[in-house]
Amino acid sequence: DSGVTQTPKHLITATGQRVTLRCSPRSGDLSVYWYQQSLDQGLQFLIQYYNGEERAKGNILERFSAQQFPDLHSELNLSSLELGDSALYFCASSKGGEDTIYFGEGSWLTVV
Amino acid sequence: GQQLNQSPQSMFIQEGEDVSMNCTSSSIFNTWLWYKQDPGEGPVLLIALYKAGELTSNGRLTAQFGITRKDSFLNISASIPSDVGIYFCAGGSYNTDKLIFGTGTRLQVFP
Repeated sequence: DSGVTQTPKHLITATGQRVTLRCSPRSGDLSVYWYQQSLDQGLQFLIQYYNGEERAKGNILERFSAQQFPDLHSELNLSSLELGDSALYFCASSKGGEDTIYFGEGSWLTVV
Repeated sequence: GQQLNQSPQSMFIQEGEDVSMNCTSSSIFNTWLWYKQDPGEGPVLLIALYKAGELTSNGRLTAQFGITRKDSFLNISASIPSDVGIYFCAGGSYNTDKLIFGTGTRLQVFP
């Protein structure tokens, strides 16, 4: 158990819909990262927050947005969903910077 | 997105054999990490390297941070069936706060 908690574990939704994925970082970690992993693909970095502020941005679509709240949990919002958005979405956390990051178990999103 | 070159892409080996995989980059990294991902699970950290030339072991696993800071390798000795999974390298830089992940090496171990 990495200490990073993600909910929901599985989600099935229709195209055009909007979903929110939730992440609670490890205790004491200030940075939260979101990654997308499509079938048989590597990990694509989406976005990072540090202590509530956006720190780094990767290949995150405009239809996606994220935020980190004062209690340090984070949410990833995916809207106008398309079939190609079906993937495993991982949250990870670290104390900050390029520190070792620890992954949650992921949220499986299936868009039908 | 930006990724490291990780090889081989996949390996099919017999139980008991040793395994070697590596990652190379055109950029210098200050941190190299190796993760293992089981199917449907999140990646789990295996080894973290923080200094060029550093050689670190974790049980049957050994990883090295290349002297040039542009590469790293991971060795697994005497493989067992539970070594099956996808192994990812990741590089971290002081200039950016995000880790760059390799494309993964898929390992299959046959009894």
